[in-house]
Amino acid sequence: QQQVKQSPQSLIVQKGGISIINCAYENTAFDYFPWYQQFPGKGPALLIAIRPDVSEKKEGRFTISFNKSAKQFSLHIMDSQPGDSATYFCAASRRAGGTSYGKLTFGQGTILTVHP
Amino acid sequence: DGGITQSPKYLFRKEGQNVTLSCEQNLNHDAMYWYRQDPGQGLRLIYYSQIVNDFQKGDIAEGYSVSREKKESFPLTVTSAQKNPTAFYLCASSRGTGPRELFFGEGSRLTVL
Repeated sequence: QQQVKQSPQSLIVQKGGISIINCAYENTAFDYFPWYQQFPGKGPALLIAIRPDVSEKKEGRFTISFNKSAKQFSLHIMDSQPGDSATYFCAASRRAGGTSYGKLTFGQGTILTVHP
Repeated sequence: DGGITQSPKYLFRKEGQNVTLSCEQNLNHDAMYWYRQDPGQGLRLIYYSQIVNDFQKGDIAEGYSVSREKKESFPLTVTSAQKNPTAFYLCASSRGTGPRELFFGEGSRLTVL
């Protein structure tokens, strides 16, 4: 129930293409869904986040789509650039209550490579 | 500049030795976390602390220990009881508990020979 399943494990996209990474969760208590971006040798950094009261959130070339009924959310990177090459993690956190409040559960990660 | 400093960046140890990884933050954040990163397994929570002198086990706490004597510091000890300690360890902090942005350090890579 605490798992977040992420796919694909790796993704290769040509420059200018669309990168799509998917995540699925089981725990309906989750109500905060961030995406983190990690470059080699660095720690992850927050990219974009969504709460389940909206179905989509866009920030520049990055969009989160959220499907509450299917318990799925995805990251779309439009006009992918070589500088977007990184590992991307989805995550989920539950709402208030209990000792697990605020703990982020991460997906397995997707290694994105954007070819020039 | 505010941030999280982890040291050392690389560490090699022999089997059976305890190792302590340092994590210091100057963001004045209340909560601090330790995650372990292994290829294909994402980030797994080892321990977290919401206030000074208090901490809770995460999902994979066995073989690890922590302390939180100061707000700025949250060191992690990898003990000899940890069966597979070779990994990339990440420290993070957040302004409070609840679903908030985590700020990560640059990590410490531990290799046990």
